[in-house]
Amino acid sequence: NAGVTQTPKFQVLKTGQSMTLQCAQDMNHEYMSWYRQDPGMGLRLIHYSVGAGITDQGEVPNGYNVSRSTTEDFPLRLLSAAPSQTSVYFCASSYRGQGPRSYNEQFFGPGTRLTVL
Amino acid sequence: KNEVEQSPQNLTAQEGEFITINCSYSVGISALHWLQQHPGGGIVSLFMLSSGKKKHGRLIATINIQEKHSSLHITASHPRDSAVYICAVGYNNNDMRFGAGTRLTVKP
Repeated sequence: NAGVTQTPKFQVLKTGQSMTLQCAQDMNHEYMSWYRQDPGMGLRLIHYSVGAGITDQGEVPNGYNVSRSTTEDFPLRLLSAAPSQTSVYFCASSYRGQGPRSYNEQFFGPGTRLTVL
Repeated sequence: KNEVEQSPQNLTAQEGEFITINCSYSVGISALHWLQQHPGGGIVSLFMLSSGKKKHGRLIATINIQEKHSSLHITASHPRDSAVYICAVGYNNNDMRFGAGTRLTVKP
């Protein structure tokens, strides 16, 4: 199993450009999520999905869109990049058991380092 | 104010020492996670717990639901334990919040 893969590893954008960060997992996990990590602030949840066709907003969703057309893929779109979106982005997935208390171990991708000039 | 508070922010220990990292949270949760972030940036999950205590090798994690507090212990610390340790809490609505992390350095 490849686990959770993210592309690209590094990206530099100019303000106003758009791009998509790719995330894929081959573990048939229902739950997938995107986080950003900024110095001194820890990880913050951007968007998450509990299954194909279902997405929801996390703590910091503004400026980002997601979709979940398949179980495997969960792309993150920046519609108009801003310098405030300079960060390291992590995608994660986990098996989601039955019921609201069925959290399981999260598997993280290697991260994408994004710089917006 | 962060919903998840970790202490200490930074910790330096000598090889072999017993280490404790603390995590406090403010509201009821479904589960608490301890994560390890290596110097290269990769993040791995160490524990996920909703009650009691879990042990994996030299690592022990405990949680007290009533006091909204969790601890991560490392016994017989080793330089390879040097990393950032992150506490995260999950809520019933699938949301998650993270602590800022504890940077641990273990010196030989």
